[in-house]
Amino acid sequence: KQEVTQIPAALSVPEGENLVLNCSFTDSAIYNLQWFRQDPGKGLTSLLLIQSSQREQTSGRLNASLDKSSGRSTLYIAASQPGDSATYLCAVSTEGETSGSRLTFGEGTQLTVNP
Amino acid sequence: DTEVTQTPKHLVMGMTNKKSLKCEQHMGHRAMYWYKQKAKKPPELMFVYSYEKLSINESVPSRFSPECPNSSLLNLHLHALQPEDSALYLCASSQVRGLGYEQYFGPGTRLTVT
Repeated sequence: KQEVTQIPAALSVPEGENLVLNCSFTDSAIYNLQWFRQDPGKGLTSLLLIQSSQREQTSGRLNASLDKSSGRSTLYIAASQPGDSATYLCAVSTEGETSGSRLTFGEGTQLTVNP
Repeated sequence: DTEVTQTPKHLVMGMTNKKSLKCEQHMGHRAMYWYKQKAKKPPELMFVYSYEKLSINESVPSRFSPECPNSSLLNLHLHALQPEDSALYLCASSQVRGLGYEQYFGPGTRLTVT
């Protein structure tokens, strides 16, 4: 059974700092890995999708890397801003399905960026 | 347009009520999903529809009944719920190709069962 772990569970940083969020998964037979952001009481916003054949993806100040063989991904946020405060969720799509995809989520990292 | 819409935003229902949650997308996605999210927890998959057919049911109690009337709409019919069913219900959609296209989520319906 796939298990996804995110470290740290919570992180508080001053504005402007660069930071790294970590995600690890137990079964390397994944199809892709997706990073999401969730604001309190809201839905999930997709930030980055990395296919299993890719090593990294970038969008603006965000960069996500994937090391499938070691079961790890990192989300790098450059020059953090108070508006980045949210919960960040990592999810992996696992093999074995014939239609749609089964996402397994980590517990999330709650990020607070202080002005 | 990468939007998934859900109605209602909030729902309060008694344990004997029957209600429905609705989800709509116009991205041409042929896979649609229902997730349940409790406070401070990640979303948990409930159902997956692919080409309007139920492809995954994660052993969800029968008091939750999904329906996919067409490729753009997904409903979740609720009946005889329990207070522990109170949660944020999220809908998502994606393309279908074996596995692994990006999933897009709606804003959710906050359900309270009294």
